[in-house]
Amino acid sequence: DAKTTQPNSMESNEEEPVHLPCNHSTISGTDYIHWYRQLPSQGPEYVIHGLTSNVNNRMASLAIAEDRKSSTLILHRATLRDAAVYYCILRVIMNYGGSQGNLIFGKGTKLSVKP
Amino acid sequence: EAGVTQSPTHLIKTRGQQVTLRCSPISGHTSVYWYQQALGLGLQFLLWYDEGEERNRGNFPPRFSGRQFPNYSSELNVNALELEDSALYLCASSYTDSRLAGDTQYFGPGTRLTVL
Repeated sequence: DAKTTQPNSMESNEEEPVHLPCNHSTISGTDYIHWYRQLPSQGPEYVIHGLTSNVNNRMASLAIAEDRKSSTLILHRATLRDAAVYYCILRVIMNYGGSQGNLIFGKGTKLSVKP
Repeated sequence: EAGVTQSPTHLIKTRGQQVTLRCSPISGHTSVYWYQQALGLGLQFLLWYDEGEERNRGNFPPRFSGRQFPNYSSELNVNALELEDSALYLCASSYTDSRLAGDTQYFGPGTRLTVL
């Protein structure tokens, strides 16, 4: 599986934007970029995913570099509730409808949000 | 729509005992995954069940086992508990077809197992 690299930790102030980077220099053409986050004492939750174009949803935006070797998860206004570990994971969507199976979690980026 | 549910929430066992953890997936999901999150070790994949069959297992000893029932719920069994089995056990579910919902996995709140 292609590997991702993320900073161990980042800090943000409440109500400011946060840009969480992820490097995936060995990404292949069939790899989708997924982001999950894990709030303290909870299971991980899906945040967003994309292939080539930038993506937006109610939780965040995903900006993908033109060469796809890196991406950035953007939280537009960080709240205290956004303090979590954020994981960037590559997944292959199977054209025949199968599943790649389990997620492979790295260490992720621990985001702290200061009031 | 109800999310993934797990039971029990917390469990305390002693070394050598056996434990069974339970997971109910989101309605319509046929794949169930089990992960272990021990302190300081991150999220480790344990088992993947789909349509009642074990599709893959992580690097864990055979005393970790499980099954998936016809209603797609699942059990994780751990025999001969060891101190290092103390961890948060997370269950996730998804559609089998990764083209649905972008192959997203939905996690339950976990079962916190403490082995004394």
